Amino acid sequence: EVQLVESGGGLVQPGGSLRLSCAASGFTFSSYEMNWVRQAPGKGLEWVSYISSSGSTIYYADSVKGRFTISRDNAKNSLYLQMNSLRAEDTAVYYCARDRWIVPAAMRNFDYWGQGTLVTVSS
Amino acid sequence: AIQLTQSPSSLSASVGDRVTITCRASQGISSALAWYQQKPGKAPKLLIYDASSLESGVPSRFSGSGSGTDFTLTISSLQPEDFATYYCQQFNNYPLTFGGGTKVEIK
Repeated sequence: EVQLVESGGGLVQPGGSLRLSCAASGFTFSSYEMNWVRQAPGKGLEWVSYISSSGSTIYYADSVKGRFTISRDNAKNSLYLQMNSLRAEDTAVYYCARDRWIVPAAMRNFDYWGQGTLVTVSS
Repeated sequence: AIQLTQSPSSLSASVGDRVTITCRASQGISSALAWYQQKPGKAPKLLIYDASSLESGVPSRFSGSGSGTDFTLTISSLQPEDFATYYCQQFNNYPLTFGGGTKVEIK
């Protein structure tokens, strides 16, 4: 059974840092691209960042570029999001999501999501 | 960035109703679109990918259509467990973007 379990959320002051983790199990983690998606309280979904299966290709939303860093450790089946210079507007539930490509048509989607971890940025 | 505009933002419907939600992209995205269902306090669940392909295990009352800039998600006969918020997402290019969501409520 595929499982994604996020951890590391909590209350942090503006300007502070936090590192989120996503522990993956039930599939060959090193074969899949991964993403972080967030959802502010009462708001919609916002894609945050992408990392390729090897970690060699990375993308960020403009709203977090230069402040957040995505990484992965395939030996530990884990995905990370280092969040620095946090702002009130970063307050959200953060989800990790598995990126699935269906070949040969290269149809893409996020087929599995974790339960999310809440990050609250407040003084 | 490609903007996805969903309409309506909310709707009220009864069990058994046919429900249609639209998602319009600010530029052409071929069929690189997925639909998700989210219930309160839960993670999103994949329903449809590649605009019209039904995810395994999803009831056949859900269907998707469209290509280019205009897409629809249809629930042919609304069931009690379908009351939720629905999001579209484009995969044509980065940044990946989601629509604003459509909340389906009980009439």
